Amino acid sequence: QSALTQPASVSGSPGQSITFSCTGTSSDVGGYNSVSWYQQHPGNAPKLMIYEVSNRPSGVSNRFSGSKSGNTASLTISGLQAEDEADYYCSSYTSSSTYVFGTGTKVTVL
Amino acid sequence: QVQLVQSGAEVKKPGASVKVSCKASGYSFTRYYMHWVRQAPGQGLEWMGIMNPSGDRTSYAQKFQGRVTMTRDTSTSTVYMELSSLRYEDTAVYFCARAPSGLDASDIWGQGTMVTVSS
Repeated sequence: QSALTQPASVSGSPGQSITFSCTGTSSDVGGYNSVSWYQQHPGNAPKLMIYEVSNRPSGVSNRFSGSKSGNTASLTISGLQAEDEADYYCSSYTSSSTYVFGTGTKVTVL
Repeated sequence: QVQLVQSGAEVKKPGASVKVSCKASGYSFTRYYMHWVRQAPGQGLEWMGIMNPSGDRTSYAQKFQGRVTMTRDTSTSTVYMELSSLRYEDTAVYFCARAPSGLDASDIWGQGTMVTVSS
């Protein structure tokens, strides 16, 4: 199972919106509404930000939103803040009854 | 307080095995799936496997088939991940993470356990 493809880095200024992608295949991202997104600050465990493509867990800011079209899922961060600077990983359930993570995207707040 | 507390750092020689524990508290242990994920230094997250809530079924990433075993002890609410035939490239932080039934996402993560493979 190959990792899902994410851009290596994305940057934006405070207050701006950024969107980045997570591309898989019809056997993972495209086949299930089981895409989740995790935020990871250096030295910390990942934190769930989005589940089932577009749902936010309790306590996660509504500045984070998710969507999916075909084999590509996307995460949008609106009103970018300094604290959003972190690594972000997507994850999907697969047709092999396993899970796969994306390659990760480093978000930089300029 | 819902939390997963993992065992401490390990240093192992190539070819050895390591067993990492993950103790759950603050929730009903037998009602959640448990994933194991690892992260090599400076690298991304890698899914290793999952155990079902009743503890009688596991599913492993093909990459680790034959080398990884996930077990649990219900009496202590602890899950274990054992990785055998260790190689230098198994050096990584290993995380446990729970997932509610019906949710393909992990909402609570352990703090991570550093495993170093070194001669």
